Amino acid sequence: NAGVMQNPRHLVRRRGQEARLRCSPMKGHSHVYWYRQLPEEGLKFMVYLQKENIIDESGMPKERFSAEFPKEGPSILRIQQVVRGDSAAYFCASSPPSSGGRTDTQYFGPGTRLTVL
Amino acid sequence: ILNVEQSPQSLHVQEGDSTNFTCSFPSSNFYALHWYRWETAKSPEALFVMTLNGDEKKKGRISATLNTKEGYSYLYIKGSQPEDSATYLCAFIRGDYKLSFGAGTTVTVRA
Repeated sequence: NAGVMQNPRHLVRRRGQEARLRCSPMKGHSHVYWYRQLPEEGLKFMVYLQKENIIDESGMPKERFSAEFPKEGPSILRIQQVVRGDSAAYFCASSPPSSGGRTDTQYFGPGTRLTVL
Repeated sequence: ILNVEQSPQSLHVQEGDSTNFTCSFPSSNFYALHWYRWETAKSPEALFVMTLNGDEKKKGRISATLNTKEGYSYLYIKGSQPEDSATYLCAFIRGDYKLSFGAGTTVTVRA
């Protein structure tokens, strides 16, 4: 059973470009979470999704950031018109479909390191 | 933003010694607490999910306790080994499922 997969592992973008980060949850998992780790800081929650639904996006910046988890395919975190301050490691985690959702153990992917030039 | 604090921020421990550190969180509206272990250049790995006041969990030489009434959890490492060197994160989950990570305690075990 493959773990959580994220791609690309490293992404370089120039200011103003778009960044698309992909996350494939573990097989059978229907809950996906995105976190951001800014340099010298801890993990910050961004968004929690279930298939085709955004459950909690309270940690997402209001502009330029969006996330989706379609019925088929990976979850996508999209950052439009990137700025230098978006440079960070973005981690995705998944958990199985159960009543707890947030209380379930989250399995993390290896992260995508975004560098904005 | 949920106020989740971990202390100390970092600690050094001699191989073979035991150590412990703290995760503090709001004592009201508690739902669950997670502990994760995060090694450099890897992704966070789940250690424990704790939900009940008084919970004690153990995994090898690592154990954790939970006090939801006073809002803290301790993580203990018994007989530290170099492979225990990592950052240990706690994540507090509130009753409305809001989740917030602490900044972590970075443990360095010296041989």
